Amino acid sequence: DAGVIQSPRHEVTEMGQEVTLRCKPISGHDYLFWYRQTMMRGLELLIYFNNNVPIDDSGMPEDRFSAKMPNASFSTLKIQPSEPRDSAVYFCASRKGTSGMGGETQYFGPGTRLLVL
Amino acid sequence: AQTVTQSQPEMSVQEAETVTLSCTYDTSESNYYLFWYKQPPSRQMILVIRQEAYKQQNATENRFSVNFQKAAKSFSLKISDSQLGDTAMYFCALKNTGNQFYFGTGTSLTVIP
Repeated sequence: DAGVIQSPRHEVTEMGQEVTLRCKPISGHDYLFWYRQTMMRGLELLIYFNNNVPIDDSGMPEDRFSAKMPNASFSTLKIQPSEPRDSAVYFCASRKGTSGMGGETQYFGPGTRLLVL
Repeated sequence: AQTVTQSQPEMSVQEAETVTLSCTYDTSESNYYLFWYKQPPSRQMILVIRQEAYKQQNATENRFSVNFQKAAKSFSLKISDSQLGDTAMYFCALKNTGNQFYFGTGTSLTVIP
């Protein structure tokens, strides 16, 4: 299995621009999570999906952030307009829906390092 | 509320020696899972080891093992025969019956040649 795939791996953009981060979860996984990691705040859960449906978006910092999962193999996290304080590493993770037999383990993608100038 | 505490921000160990990273947690649930993730300089989050709370036996994965003390709510990671590639940030995480993971603030481990 290829694991969780994220693109791009690095993104540098200017303040005010739209940024779209992409994620392909592991095939067969029912849950998809978006995290943000910064030195100041550590790992923060932004939103997660179950069977393509957003379940909890309480971690999304503000309306500039939006996430979609149009199908089981693709999700996007969009920031519009971007600001310098959005600079962080954004991780996507996925897991199976079943508990036990390892189904509760989250597997992370390599992350997207975003720098907003 | 669920919390995970890693009280050692930084640690170092000589190559080939053994090191133990500490983690304590708090949860009101009886059924939960505990994890250690490794984050090397590449930033990739890699699962190191997993422990089910209902299992009394401590999990082991090659040079990595845990000391799970359920009553004390302690979940430490022991790395034996430390290697230079073990240099990384290590995160302890808790998952209860919900879907959210609760992460500690991490311990930065440096293996000294």
